[in-house]
Amino acid sequence: QVVVTQSPSASASLGASVKLTCTLSSGHSNYAIAWHQQQPEKGPRFLMQINSDGSHTKGDGIPDRFSGSSSGAERYLTISSLQSDDEADYHCQTWGTGVHWQGVFGIGTKVTVL
Amino acid sequence: EVQLVESGGGLVQPGGSLRLSCAASGFSFSSSGMNWVRQAPGKGLEWVSFISSGGSPTFYAESVKGRFTISRDNDKNSLFLQMNNVRGEDTAVYYCAKTRAGGYNLFYFDHWGKGALVTVSS
Repeated sequence: QVVVTQSPSASASLGASVKLTCTLSSGHSNYAIAWHQQQPEKGPRFLMQINSDGSHTKGDGIPDRFSGSSSGAERYLTISSLQSDDEADYHCQTWGTGVHWQGVFGIGTKVTVL
Repeated sequence: EVQLVESGGGLVQPGGSLRLSCAASGFSFSSSGMNWVRQAPGKGLEWVSFISSGGSPTFYAESVKGRFTISRDNDKNSLFLQMNNVRGEDTAVYYCAKTRAGGYNLFYFDHWGKGALVTVSS
């Protein structure tokens, strides 16, 4: 069963960059993942999906400040030129197949803009 | 514009039942797999259930299997979640989410509703 691991928190200064990591469990390094943003008191919003080769597809209207990349079993979300409304939870998501056919989420990373 | 609007949330006693609905618009509902995802207070997201575009197959998280039933009405562009024998740990905001197929082994949620709060308490 695939598991995705995220750090619970990250922070960076206004105008700086932050790089979030989502790590796939052993044996699943070729899986694609998706990142979702959830601002305080709001529903989630799809940001992008990232493949194992680093190629990615963004959701509608997602600014260029948000980019994705990949290395081995790690999938990254980089937010550049941090703005105050980037302060949010960022959820990594993938999909389990076979016997455990289901959506799989990480614990979410809370990003604080200093 | 894709819109997903949940309704039917509220307060329900342990052991009781509740039916959530999701009204969809702005896309071809009958061609899309759909999901329910929930978020307990102060917690992360938890996938609950998936239904394919035609209504079968369906899949459930172990935590709700045998108690919750997902269904859809493609003529009315609507998704449903029948929640029976609810427990305190089912207290959460329930989101309706549209499915899209992505990269290797990936189905992801490309549009989300704003959610409906379900509180299980006596």
